Amino acid sequence: NAGVTQTPKFRILKIGQSMTLQCTQDMNHNYMYWYRQDPGMGLKLIYYSVGAGITDKGEVPNGYNVSRSTTEDFPLRLELAAPSQTSVYFCASSYSGAPGTYGYTFGSGTRLTVV
Amino acid sequence: KNEVEQSPQNLTAQEGEFITINCSYSVGISALHWLQQHPGGGIVSLFMLSSGKKKHGRLIATINIQEKHSSLHITASHPRDSAVYICAVRMNYGGSQGNLIFGKGTKLSVKP
Repeated sequence: NAGVTQTPKFRILKIGQSMTLQCTQDMNHNYMYWYRQDPGMGLKLIYYSVGAGITDKGEVPNGYNVSRSTTEDFPLRLELAAPSQTSVYFCASSYSGAPGTYGYTFGSGTRLTVV
Repeated sequence: KNEVEQSPQNLTAQEGEFITINCSYSVGISALHWLQQHPGGGIVSLFMLSSGKKKHGRLIATINIQEKHSSLHITASHPRDSAVYICAVRMNYGGSQGNLIFGKGTKLSVKP
């Protein structure tokens, strides 16, 4: 069972370039999330999805876009990369059972540097 | 003000010591998670709590809902326990996001 698979693991972008971070889960989780982790800070939610075809903004959505065409896939798109988007990105998924019964699975992270 | 506060921020221990990491939160929650992040960055879920206490090997997690406080204990610590430990809460509102609010983490270093 692969869990949550993120690609790539590392990427260097030039200012103004675009890229897509891929995230796939094979656990049939309905909820998926994208977080960013900056040094000394807690993870911040960028976007989330409660099911295929449904996405919504989190705390720090500016400069990013997402789509959820299938239950398995939740790609994160960076348009016009900026140095402020240098961060480590984590994809996660969870199942929405009764409150307190669901667990979270995280991908291994993508370290992105914008220069 | 952060909704989830962890203490201490950094902790150095000798191998074999009993370790406690604390987490306080200011909002109503439906569950609290303890996560472990090793150097190299991957995040692993250790515990999910909505009440009481859970134990897994040398790790024990407790939560006091009334006091809005949780602790993670490590007994007989070992250098391989060196990692960042993160507390995260799922807020108790009626929406369906399932989103977590994260603390900044506690960096633990266990010396041999």
